[in-house]
Amino acid sequence: DGGITQSPKYLFRKEGQNVTLSCEQNLNHDAMYWYRQDPGQGLRLIYYSQIVNDFQKGDIAEGYSVSREKKESFPLTVTSAQKNPTAFYLCASTPGRGQAFFGQGTRLTVV
Amino acid sequence: AQSVTQPDIHITVSEGASLELRCNYSYGATPYLFWYVQSPGQGLQLLLKYFSGDTLVQGIKGFEAEFKRSQSSFNLRKPSVHWSDAAEYFCAVGAPTGRRALTFGSGTRLQVQP
Repeated sequence: DGGITQSPKYLFRKEGQNVTLSCEQNLNHDAMYWYRQDPGQGLRLIYYSQIVNDFQKGDIAEGYSVSREKKESFPLTVTSAQKNPTAFYLCASTPGRGQAFFGQGTRLTVV
Repeated sequence: AQSVTQPDIHITVSEGASLELRCNYSYGATPYLFWYVQSPGQGLQLLLKYFSGDTLVQGIKGFEAEFKRSQSSFNLRKPSVHWSDAAEYFCAVGAPTGRRALTFGSGTRLQVQP
C-alpha cells in the first residue's frame, strides 16, 4: 500500500540533544512537508521541499533542519536550538498542487 | 499570504443532530480549499476538497461543504452526526500559485453526545 511512514511514533529527547524524525513516502510525490502541531494552534509549517536536493524554510523553521537527498525521504532534525520542541510532528506529501497526504505523526517530548 | 480562521474551538452536538463547522479564509483570489479530520494521536484524513466548479462539494462519511466566494467561507456540514464523528476538524487553503504548502486553521474539536 502506498503511503507515508513516520518513525518513531514516540520520541523522548533530553535537554541539549539533537533528534531526527524520519519520514518516508512511496507515493512518488515530488513535494514533502513538515508541520508542527500544538494544542489550539493547528498545524504550522516548519520546512518544505518541492524537489530533491532543494528545500525552503516555512513559518517556524528556527531550531530545525532538514535534508532531501532522496525523493522518498525527508528527515527532520530537531536541534538543541529549538527551545520548546515538545509537540506532535506531522509529515506530508503532495503530487503537485492539491491535497496533502499525511503520515501518522511523531510525538516528541523533552524529558 | 493566505490565512484561515475557524471561529469555533469546541462544538458539542447530540447524535443525530445536524452539524455545521465554520471556516473563513483570506486570500487574494480563489484558493484551493480542504477539510481534514484528525482522531487523537493520528494523522489527518482528507474529507473533501474544492478546486473549482460546483460550489457544493461532497466528501466522505456523509460530509459536504459549500464554497461562498462573497463570504470567503467554506463551511462543513453533515445532516446527521454519528458518535464516530467525534474528532478534530481542520480547514485548509492552498494557493494556485507560489508556495504549495497548505495553510491550516486552528481546528474545531467536535464532541458528540449520546
